[in-house]
Amino acid sequence: EIVLTQSPGTLSLSPGERATLSCRASQSVSSSYLAWYQQTPGQAPRLLIYGASSRATGIPDRFSGSGSGTDFTLTISRLAPEDFAVYYCQQYGSSPYTFGQGTKLEIK
Amino acid sequence: QVQLMQSGAEVKQPGASVKVSCKASGYTFTSNYMYWVRQAPGQGLEWMGIINPSGGSTSYAQKFQDRVTMTRDTSTSTLYMELSSLRSEDTAVYYCARGAGGPVDYWGQGTLVTVSS
Repeated sequence: EIVLTQSPGTLSLSPGERATLSCRASQSVSSSYLAWYQQTPGQAPRLLIYGASSRATGIPDRFSGSGSGTDFTLTISRLAPEDFAVYYCQQYGSSPYTFGQGTKLEIK
Repeated sequence: QVQLMQSGAEVKQPGASVKVSCKASGYTFTSNYMYWVRQAPGQGLEWMGIINPSGGSTSYAQKFQDRVTMTRDTSTSTLYMELSSLRSEDTAVYYCARGAGGPVDYWGQGTLVTVSS
């Protein structure tokens, strides 16, 4: 089973700042089958990025993903008020399709 | 539009079983693999397993291998997830989710299962 470790656990930033979230895998994620999700309280997660760097339908271009192998990054270029939420990475290259433990992005 | 409508909240005693349903609409039911994912209160997401609605084949996370059964009814476009031998640690929101070649593109609204004596 591939273990995904996200860092930091909590990130405190202000609107307009740049956010960089990390996801590290215990072994290489095949074909960059890595996704990022955003979850706000009481809601189901929303797909942001798939294939490590492709934005899902309707996702603003301030969200970008990068990385390969075992190291992946989600970048939010200029934080909007609605971006403060919890973010999860998920690998779907090998079963079980594990999730990271999440990064909480909070308003500073 | 794609919708995944799940059954309502459940309260179960330890040792009992629970069966959660998920009715799909707005797309061809057999075209997409489906997952079940759970989230304990205040915790992260946990992938439980996958089912192919076309043939019914399944693959479960090892943690749930002995206790979970995922099935589907193609006549009603409905998925089912049954979890047995419930314990307090199984208290969580259970989501059905549609796979889009791997990642999830649509989620159900979630079903809260509470295990308490």
